[in-house]
Amino acid sequence: AQKITQTQPGMFVQEKEAVTLDCTYDTSDPSYGLFWYKQPSSGEMIFLIYQGSYDQQNATEGRYSLNFQKARKSANLVISASQLGDSAMYFCAMREGRTGGFKTIFGAGTRLFVKA
Amino acid sequence: NAGVTQTPKFQVLKTGQSMTLQCAQDMNHEYMSWYRQDPGMGLRLIHYSVGAGITDQGEVPNGYNVSRSTTEDFPLRLLSAAPSQTSVYFCASSDGRMNTEAFFGQGTRLTVV
Repeated sequence: AQKITQTQPGMFVQEKEAVTLDCTYDTSDPSYGLFWYKQPSSGEMIFLIYQGSYDQQNATEGRYSLNFQKARKSANLVISASQLGDSAMYFCAMREGRTGGFKTIFGAGTRLFVKA
Repeated sequence: NAGVTQTPKFQVLKTGQSMTLQCAQDMNHEYMSWYRQDPGMGLRLIHYSVGAGITDQGEVPNGYNVSRSTTEDFPLRLLSAAPSQTSVYFCASSDGRMNTEAFFGQGTRLTVV
């Protein structure tokens, strides 16, 4: 069965430093996609970055990068040069392919606090 | 461009009442889904649909019904509200490709008393 695990309920980081948010997953589908979303205190869900199971290189989007280790089934989000506006909840999500009905499930989230 | 529209934004129900949360998208997305968000538990998938006329259960379907008569609309029905259904509900849609993100509505905060 699909499963997403985020083991860090909360994280603190100093402004301008990098931080890694952990995510592990479990699936038997060889085709899947991994996503990270940000949820600020206002509540909306903001897409950050995507990694496909067949992608050879780690995804990057501006200050966000995804450390994809397929054998370990991990997809950690790295935020470089943290900003105060990065304080938010961060969710890791996985979408399975056709065998999984394309459904997307989410982890429990990590709340990030950026300190000035 | 409206994207995904959820109504209402807030709702208070009494135990045993029924209601429908509305979700509409104008992006011609095939895939739509409903999630509930509870503190410490992330977003949990209630029901999803891969196209008009096709729905399936997610992780926590009990107490909820859905239908998909059109591509645009995907309403979520609470049959007999219970305090355990107090939550924030999100509707999301995507175009069904593996590598495209889901677009979320603004959420409905539901309280059952």
